[in-house]
Amino acid sequence: EPEVTQTPSHQVTQMGQEVILRCVPISNHLYFYWYRQILGQKVEFLVSFYNNEISEKSEIFDDQFSVERPDGSNFTLKIRSTKLEDSAMYFCASKEKGFGQPQHFGDGTRLSIL
Amino acid sequence: RKEVEQDPGPFNVPEGATVAFNCTYSNSASQSFFWYRQDCRKEPKLLMSVYSSGNEDGRFTAQLNRASQYISLLIRDSKLSDSATYLCVVTSLMYSGGGADGLTFGKGTHLIIQP
Repeated sequence: EPEVTQTPSHQVTQMGQEVILRCVPISNHLYFYWYRQILGQKVEFLVSFYNNEISEKSEIFDDQFSVERPDGSNFTLKIRSTKLEDSAMYFCASKEKGFGQPQHFGDGTRLSIL
Repeated sequence: RKEVEQDPGPFNVPEGATVAFNCTYSNSASQSFFWYRQDCRKEPKLLMSVYSSGNEDGRFTAQLNRASQYISLLIRDSKLSDSATYLCVVTSLMYSGGGADGLTFGKGTHLIIQP
């Protein structure tokens, strides 16, 4: 069964540094997403991406965040100047076109900011 | 973005028993509904979509009540492998005709199946 893959599985970064999290969505999917989950809390939506542009973003997704689809397979999340509170699991998800289609999640990148 | 409320549990249930979870959602514009399960420190995995008429997948039955903004999940003949956190998830179309709607998650209900 095709799956969403994410790299790295764990990223440790000094506060203030830039970090890029990478995702390869399922190949025939057209909608891409990033979510985060702070330890012990619920999964939170960050951003959705379709047709090479952001479709929707939450209040968490401020100017420090950006997303890109640099080629036909990768989908990246960049955090420009990391803060301690950015420490979380970051999940990428993708879905097919079509109303009500479910999103499929990658196994996440654990980001630890020191 | 509106909220999804769930009883966090934990629900401690003997193997073979039937267990039911509920959730409520506050955004009446919610369009699609799902149950995901999440094992400790893993990604959410789709358990099932929830349709207006109710639907069943093996031991799992989901119901939706749009008028009450209420979703339920019933697990019959529970197995040890059903131990997980069950996440109630809804979407809302933020833009007219849009399909890239983000998911709103509940905090989850923790289920422990005991041998």
